[in-house]
Amino acid sequence: DIQMTQSPASLSASVGETVTITCRASENIYSYLAWYQQKQGKSPQLLVYNAKTLAEGVPSRFSGSGSGTQFSLKINSLQPEDFGSYYCQHHYGTPLTFGAGTKLELK
Amino acid sequence: EVKLVESGGGLVQPGGSLRLSCATSGFTFTDYYMSWVRQPPGKALEWLGFIRNKANGYTTEYSASVKGRFTISRDNSQSILYLQMNTLRAEDSATYYCARDKAPFAYWGQGTLVTVSA
Repeated sequence: DIQMTQSPASLSASVGETVTITCRASENIYSYLAWYQQKQGKSPQLLVYNAKTLAEGVPSRFSGSGSGTQFSLKINSLQPEDFGSYYCQHHYGTPLTFGAGTKLELK
Repeated sequence: EVKLVESGGGLVQPGGSLRLSCATSGFTFTDYYMSWVRQPPGKALEWLGFIRNKANGYTTEYSASVKGRFTISRDNSQSILYLQMNTLRAEDSATYYCARDKAPFAYWGQGTLVTVSA
């Protein structure tokens, strides 16, 4: 099974800052990588798929990059609504696996 | 508008069974794979499995953690997805989400909470 290792586990940042979350796959998943945002008590929302394609309605301050085994999600100029948890997930065959998550908190 | 609404969660004793439902609308149900994902309180998301669409014969795949205990099915006449959970354990306590497609998941339900406890 493909393991997804996400870092950091938690991150404190201020409004206006730029942050980057990384995700490493245990084997080559090409560009089959998605990112989700989840706010407390809510369902996850798709942000990015195929490593760098923004989902519909996602602001352009979010960007995804990477291929193979190393991926990242960058959020430029953090907004108050960006705080929450973020998960990566590979979508290259089964079993589909998620990273352990990154909790982005307001500093 | 795509809508997914889970129901059927609740408190169940260890070793018991529960069936979750996911009522869908706003899309042609038979065209899509449908998936289940769960999230224990304060923990990460875990993919449980999916059921394929009509074109792929409605076959299923499961994660190792639930294979043999959980069964995914669908009622295509009513556009409802099911998750039958048997031999439940404390570690199955989680919010259970249905999602459209096999991944990436652009559409999710609101989740239903399952608590396994004596």
